Amino acid sequence: EAGVTQFPSHSVIEKGQTVTLRCDPISGHDNLYWYRRVMGKEIKFLLHFVKESKQDESGMPNNRFLAERTGGTYSTLKVQPAELEDSGVYFCASSQGIRGEQYFGPGTRLTVT
Amino acid sequence: GQQLNQSPQSMFIQEGEDVSMNCTSSSIFNTWLWYKQDPGEGPVLLIALYKAGELTSNGRLTAQFGITRKDSFLNISASIPSDVGIYFCAGYYNQGGKLIFGQGTELSVKP
Repeated sequence: EAGVTQFPSHSVIEKGQTVTLRCDPISGHDNLYWYRRVMGKEIKFLLHFVKESKQDESGMPNNRFLAERTGGTYSTLKVQPAELEDSGVYFCASSQGIRGEQYFGPGTRLTVT
Repeated sequence: GQQLNQSPQSMFIQEGEDVSMNCTSSSIFNTWLWYKQDPGEGPVLLIALYKAGELTSNGRLTAQFGITRKDSFLNISASIPSDVGIYFCAGYYNQGGKLIFGQGTELSVKP
């Protein structure tokens, strides 16, 4: 069974530019999550989808971040316009069921210069 | 918001030594999870705990769900070089909801 995949693995952009991150969850997983880890700090929740619906977006930093999950399969996270403080590693995770076990992708390392 | 305090932040140990790390919270959780992150990779689930007092092992790893539901610990016995990485605890409360992570424990093992 394929795990969670993310693209790209790295992205370096200038302040003010736009970046779109993609996540493909484990096949059949209805729950999809976005998290972010800023240098040396804890992994922080951004957003939770159940199928194509946003269940919880309380962790989204501001309206420069837009997440979508059309058709309930893969998800995209767009940052527009990017700011320096958006740098970090963005993780996607997916799960099925309600017991809490979430499976993470390898992450996208975003650097805003 | 909910916070987890994970300690220690880093550990430098000799190969063969045992390691212990723990997490505490001001809130209760229904599930505690322990993840390991290798450089350039995403967190990998090591152990999941579902009941207060539960003690679960996975090879050389043992984790416990605290009786108060506000803490958990992870032990690694007889450490080896491939144990190097960052270990994260995570708490989970709501059905299908988000994980709350600790700050991570960075483990270095000297051969």
